Amino acid sequence: DQQVKQNSPSLSVQEGRISILNCDYTNSMFDYFLWYKKYPAEGPTFLISISSIKDKNEDGRFTVFLNKSAKHLSLHIVPSQPGDSAVYFCAARSYTGNQFYFGTGTSLTVIP
Amino acid sequence: SQTIHQWPATLVQPVGSPLSLECTVEGTSNPNLYWYRQAAGRGLQLLFYSVGIGQISSEVPQNLSASRPQDRQFILSSKKLLLSDSGFYLCAWSTGTASYGYTFGSGTRLTVV
Repeated sequence: DQQVKQNSPSLSVQEGRISILNCDYTNSMFDYFLWYKKYPAEGPTFLISISSIKDKNEDGRFTVFLNKSAKHLSLHIVPSQPGDSAVYFCAARSYTGNQFYFGTGTSLTVIP
Repeated sequence: SQTIHQWPATLVQPVGSPLSLECTVEGTSNPNLYWYRQAAGRGLQLLFYSVGIGQISSEVPQNLSASRPQDRQFILSSKKLLLSDSGFYLCAWSTGTASYGYTFGSGTRLTVV
């Protein structure tokens, strides 16, 4: 059973515009969320995180929003750059465990 | 600082041959260790995780096995590879409790022919 879902397998955005990547989860015990970025033939690298006590976390061009009531989080990239083209995974962890559950990923293409 | 090493980077193996992928972590003690697979067009699937030497939890029953002979060494094995074992294999580590994320290795591209 997929507890973390990314329903958009791909997204294309013009350079300079906003990219919005979405992620939904089903487990109400999840309390910590991450976004990873992955280039082809490389391991995922950590991008940004958010705790369930917050609804927003910002780091430069990247902002993650958390809506606990809707069990939804999103990653905003503004402005989008061609180097942002990659697969983005969201991940979630419950406070009772040490395992992260990953979504299926969204492939972002930023068009110059 | 902590580093994670994973090898080989690429591997082409015939169906029915054995497999051994190795992962080592430096700069930390008693890490949690993980094996993930990313199949073509799919997300990250957790295969195995380990919270200590000799302690292996399997998430998905399949043709693979894992072992942790030393604190910072994690091995993924198969006795006989299947075509469906092709994929991108990733090792990762995290701290033992209240983990704030994984650090991934660079991955192994396995092609079974």
